Amino acid sequence: AQKITQTQPGMFVQEKEAVTLDCTYDTSDPSYGLFWYKQPSSGEMIFLIYQGSYDQQNATEGRYSLNFQKARKSANLVISASQLGDSAMYFCAMRGSMGRSGSRLTFGEGTQLTVNP
Amino acid sequence: DTEVTQTPKHLVMGMTNKKSLKCEQHMGHRAMYWYKQKAKKPPELMFVYSYEKLSINESVPSRFSPECPNSSLLNLHLHALQPEDSALYLCASSQDRLEETQYFGPGTRLLVL
Repeated sequence: AQKITQTQPGMFVQEKEAVTLDCTYDTSDPSYGLFWYKQPSSGEMIFLIYQGSYDQQNATEGRYSLNFQKARKSANLVISASQLGDSAMYFCAMRGSMGRSGSRLTFGEGTQLTVNP
Repeated sequence: DTEVTQTPKHLVMGMTNKKSLKCEQHMGHRAMYWYKQKAKKPPELMFVYSYEKLSINESVPSRFSPECPNSSLLNLHLHALQPEDSALYLCASSQDRLEETQYFGPGTRLLVL
């Protein structure tokens, strides 16, 4: 069974500062993928960044980077230079590689990020 | 272009109505998904279509009926819904069913009266 844990129900950050959103995972699959999605109040789930379990380097996409620590089973999202438009719910998700776990995303409960001016 | 479109954006229906939600993607993806999301909760998988065939049904009540007319389109037919079915319904697609990024549409907000 797969599990994603996001321990921060809510986070606050000042505009232009960096923020880290925590995500830990548990899986027995030999390979897996980790994803972060952003969901503004409008409802759309926006894909931000992907990290494969065998990727040697941490993934980066513009202001987003994924701090992947495989031994600790963590995949934290770092947002640099926060903007007001970053205020949203952020979901960490995982996809396994075998059978049932390979066919679906397992989501965490989400972290509500608020960027203050 | 990573775009998935969904219509309608909002839907209000009575418990005796029949309605359909539509989803479309033109990315050449061969897997498509329906999710249900309640407020402040993560999405819950309902159905997965792979190469236009239903591959996963997460024990969804029969009042929800999915249909995949072709590789670009996914419908969700609704009949005799309950008020607790009110939620955001999200469609997603991915290149393939396994180990690929899912791209989501904007969702349909459904209210059942």
